[in-house]
Amino acid sequence: KAGVTQTPRYLIKTRGQQVTLSCSPISGHRSVSWYQQTPGQGLQFLFEYFSETQRNKGNFPGRFSGRQFSNSRSEMNVSTLELGDSALYLCASSSRTSTLSYNEQFFGPGTRLTVL
Amino acid sequence: QKEVEQNSGPLSVPEGAIASLNCTYSDRGSQSFFWYRQYSGKSPELIMFIYSNGDKEDGRFTAQLNKASQYVSLLIRDSQPSDSATYLCAVNDSNYQLIWGAGTKLIIKP
Repeated sequence: KAGVTQTPRYLIKTRGQQVTLSCSPISGHRSVSWYQQTPGQGLQFLFEYFSETQRNKGNFPGRFSGRQFSNSRSEMNVSTLELGDSALYLCASSSRTSTLSYNEQFFGPGTRLTVL
Repeated sequence: QKEVEQNSGPLSVPEGAIASLNCTYSDRGSQSFFWYRQYSGKSPELIMFIYSNGDKEDGRFTAQLNKASQYVSLLIRDSQPSDSATYLCAVNDSNYQLIWGAGTKLIIKP
């Protein structure tokens, strides 16, 4: 089974621009979660999507948004980029179907975003 | 606020010794517990999970869970330099949300 894939792997943007990152989950997985990871803050949960619906959301500003398509692929968008948005953005997929089930997650390689 | 705590380290262990990594959690209703390994510049990789009290062994790795004391630990036997990484503890809380620890950096000295 192919793992979680993320594109692009590296991205350089300037302040004020917007960016879209893509994630394809493991085949059969319908739950996709996004995380931001920085050296100082560790792994921070952004949101989870399931069946094209946002199921959970972390504590991030509205500049961070996402969506999921019918084939479970997911995108996240960051508008009006700030220097502090420089981070590794990780996507994880899970086979869980209910919010009341175990949430074993498998990560993609990540997209490293640098904002200049 | 529900929390998962880990000693940030670094934890330095001689090659061949046992490395012991600990994690405590605040939500007594937590359901399942995961250990991830993350090499520098790479994404986290699931190495162990445990749901029931007691020990679970997988090769050189043993996960230990004590729900009464609200801690979970990971033991790595016969530590190798390739085990040097950051180890993340993640806990499914009583709402089945995944709460992450900040990670412990482990260094295995040859």
